[in-house]
Amino acid sequence: DADVTQTPRNRITKTGKRIMLECSQTKGHDRMYWYRQDPGLGLRLIYYSFDVKDINKGEISDGYSVSRQAQAKFSLSLESAIPNQTALYFCATSAQRENKAPGELFFGEGSRLTVL
Amino acid sequence: GQSLEQPSEVTAVEGAIVQINCTYQTSGFYGLSWYQQHDGGAPTFLSYNALDGLEETGRFSSFLSRSDSYGYLLLQELQMKDSASYFCAVRGYNQGGKLIFGQGTELSVKP
Repeated sequence: DADVTQTPRNRITKTGKRIMLECSQTKGHDRMYWYRQDPGLGLRLIYYSFDVKDINKGEISDGYSVSRQAQAKFSLSLESAIPNQTALYFCATSAQRENKAPGELFFGEGSRLTVL
Repeated sequence: GQSLEQPSEVTAVEGAIVQINCTYQTSGFYGLSWYQQHDGGAPTFLSYNALDGLEETGRFSSFLSRSDSYGYLLLQELQMKDSASYFCAVRGYNQGGKLIFGQGTELSVKP
């Protein structure tokens, strides 16, 4: 089983619909992240969380919200999806202590979202 | 803010050596990471440099020069399976430990 699991893997929806992407991890990491990938734009950070009570905006948080329900779960919501939110979304985790795999993120397999 | 620049595409032949450069701008700096991604799959960690110099891991090496805000990933004895996108990413003091990624370099390895 994957250490970082994302659901759904693929989703097609219509403009204006509410969408939730879920992420769960079994690595025991405190830190979790949501990234968005568009062709030619690399990975852009949407939101991140360093523990259950901690939520922080990333580079492109507008139009998104997150919930850290437990240490192992971090969900991303699009309250009213729009076509330019069509992208590949990745959840990632990292270890809290810097001397433990510094600079290393562990990614899920991605969720491909299409908004029509 | 933070910014990273890397070439969008690189082509090389099997068995050759290729270098993918990355320049960055960030206020404060912890280190530079490199990731590999095949065909839209999960990015996977390759290396991390916090100090100046070369880090070697098998066929892959990564270099950092903090004074030049520059690093590179060196891939030796290229194989067809090395065809992928490669991303550099920085961790800066003002980023709270989170990674900011470059736009990626697509490496094509030809026979």
